[in-house]
Formats: sequence, structure tokens, C-alpha cells
Amino acid sequence: AQSVAQPEDQVNVAEGNPLTVKCTYSVSGNPYLFWYVQYPNRGLQFLLKYITGDNLVKGSYGFEAEFNKSQTSFHLKKPSALVSDSALYFCAVRESSGTYKYIFGTGTRLKVLA
Amino acid sequence: DADVTQTPRNRITKTGKRIMLECSQTKGHDRMYWYRQDPGLGLRLIYYSFDVKDINKGEISDGYSVSRQAQAKFSLSLESAIPNQTALYFCATSDRQAGANVLTFGAGSRLTVL
Repeated sequence: AQSVAQPEDQVNVAEGNPLTVKCTYSVSGNPYLFWYVQYPNRGLQFLLKYITGDNLVKGSYGFEAEFNKSQTSFHLKKPSALVSDSALYFCAVRESSGTYKYIFGTGTRLKVLA
Repeated sequence: DADVTQTPRNRITKTGKRIMLECSQTKGHDRMYWYRQDPGLGLRLIYYSFDVKDINKGEISDGYSVSRQAQAKFSLSLESAIPNQTALYFCATSDRQAGANVLTFGAGSRLTVL
């Protein structure tokens, strides 16, 4: 069965510092991996995805994520955090075949401190 | 207008009442989903539909039913609401033709069952 783990409930980082939000996954076959962001009182917005190809994926707002097949990880990164990046971040996985369902992690709250 | 519209945005009801949450989309997507968000649990899939004649149960379908009235409309019903169905509900859509499809979310419907 598919599963996604986000081991940190909250990540605090100072503005201007690099940030990492962790995600590991379990899926049979090749995974499609996604990051979404949720701002207060809003729905989830797509940030980036990995399907195949380069392990480093670039997305919206300067975010990127690194796919590591051996560690089954897909960590979200940004070289220099902004206060406006403070939000709830969700990692999601979808099987490349089969039921085509998306499974989400429990979310990580990112707080960027000025 | 939003691509995915959910109504109502907020609803307070009493135990035992029937509640319907509605979702409509202008994306032209064939796939629609209902998720439930609870703090610390992330998003969990309730039901999904890949076209008007295809309805599937998700992880937590007990106590819920859905109707796909048209390609653009997907409603979620709670036949007899109970307090542990208090949550934030999201409708999402995706396009089968778009490969590893990105989900487009509505703004959410916050339901409180007293």
C-alpha cells in the first residue's frame, strides 16, 4: 500500500537561511511525487512534482525538491527562506499505475522567523 | 471565478442532520475527489470519481455518500452527521489527459457538527 511520511510537525527557520522539509514515501512501482502548500483559509496549491528524469525538480516560488530513490525520499528545499513562505506543506504520492489515488502526508508547518 | 468552487464555505449543524457539500469546477477535468483534513492527520481520501459513471470509495468512506451529477459537479453527503465528522473538507479535480496529473483544490468547506 502507498504511504507518505512527513516526520516533522513543524520546522522553524530564520529568514534568509536555507530550509528543508522532509518527506519519505512507500509505493509499489514507480512513484509520482508532489508537494503542495496551504496558506491559512485557502485550499492546497501545487508547488512541484517529480515524474521521471532529473532527480532535482524546480517548482514555484523558488522551491525545489530532490528525489532519492534509494532512500525513498523527496525532500522540499529552498536556498533562502522568506517570512511569506510560512505555511503548511504537504507531500503526496501517486502510483504510476493501478488505482491512480493520491496519498498525502500529515503535513509540516513551516515557520520562517524574521 | 475560482476554478473549483465549494459551497457552503462554512456550516454548523447538529448531530443527526443531513448535510450536503457541493463542488463544481470549470477546469473541464474528468476526475474529482473529496478529501477530509484533520489536524495532525493530513488529508484523507473519502471518495473519488474518474467520470460520471465511475464512483470509488477512498480510505474513509463510512458515513459519507457522493453523487456525480455531471462532469463538473460532485457532491458529498453526510446522511446523519456526527461530531467526529467535524473537519475541513476539500474537493479536488485532475485531468486524465495530463499524465501525472496535478490536483486543483477548492478553498474548502469547514463543517462543524455539534
